[in-house]
Amino acid sequence: ETGVTQSPTHLIKTRGQQVTLRCSSQSGHNTVSWYQQALGQGPQFIFQYYREEENGRGNFPPRFSGLQFPNYSSELNVNALELDDSALYLCASSLDGRINSPLHFGNGTRLTVT
Amino acid sequence: GENVEQHPSTLSVQEGDSAVIKCTYSDSASNYFPWYKQELGKRPQLIIDIRSNVGEKKDQRIAVTLNKTAKHFSLHITETQPEDSAVYFCAASKAPKAPLVFGKGTRLSVIA
Repeated sequence: ETGVTQSPTHLIKTRGQQVTLRCSSQSGHNTVSWYQQALGQGPQFIFQYYREEENGRGNFPPRFSGLQFPNYSSELNVNALELDDSALYLCASSLDGRINSPLHFGNGTRLTVT
Repeated sequence: GENVEQHPSTLSVQEGDSAVIKCTYSDSASNYFPWYKQELGKRPQLIIDIRSNVGEKKDQRIAVTLNKTAKHFSLHITETQPEDSAVYFCAASKAPKAPLVFGKGTRLSVIA
């Protein structure tokens, strides 16, 4: 059984650019949640995708968007990058729209915006 | 919405001693409380969780207690070892649909 995998592991972007992060869910899981973890903070919920539809969203602006594909993999897109977007972006998968029972994270993508 | 407060922010203990980390939550409807351990540069890893129908849960040297009336829960690590050094996060949610809300973390240092 494969776990959650994320790519790339590290990324450096310039303010104003756009970025796409990718996540492959654990085998058999149809739900993907994305979290942002700023340095020294706990993870914060961005949104969840279930059966290719957004199924819950945290307090993040519309320039944070996502997709889920028929194979349940997912993308997180961030437009008009700001310096404060620098963070570790974590993906987690689960089953049947359940966000947190229990939640296992991928290794994350560390995004640096300069 | 839910708010989770975690204390202390840093904790140093001697190897072999016990460590206790405490969290409080604001939403009385929250019913799922996991704890995560995050080593430097790595992902948070689930170490133990508890649901609101249980007051205490133990897994070897790790235990979690929950007081629903007071809306607080605690992580207890006994016989600490240097490899327990990490940042620990508590979280709360209204399972199964609501997302996890995390505390700000506790940096635990176990001194050999």
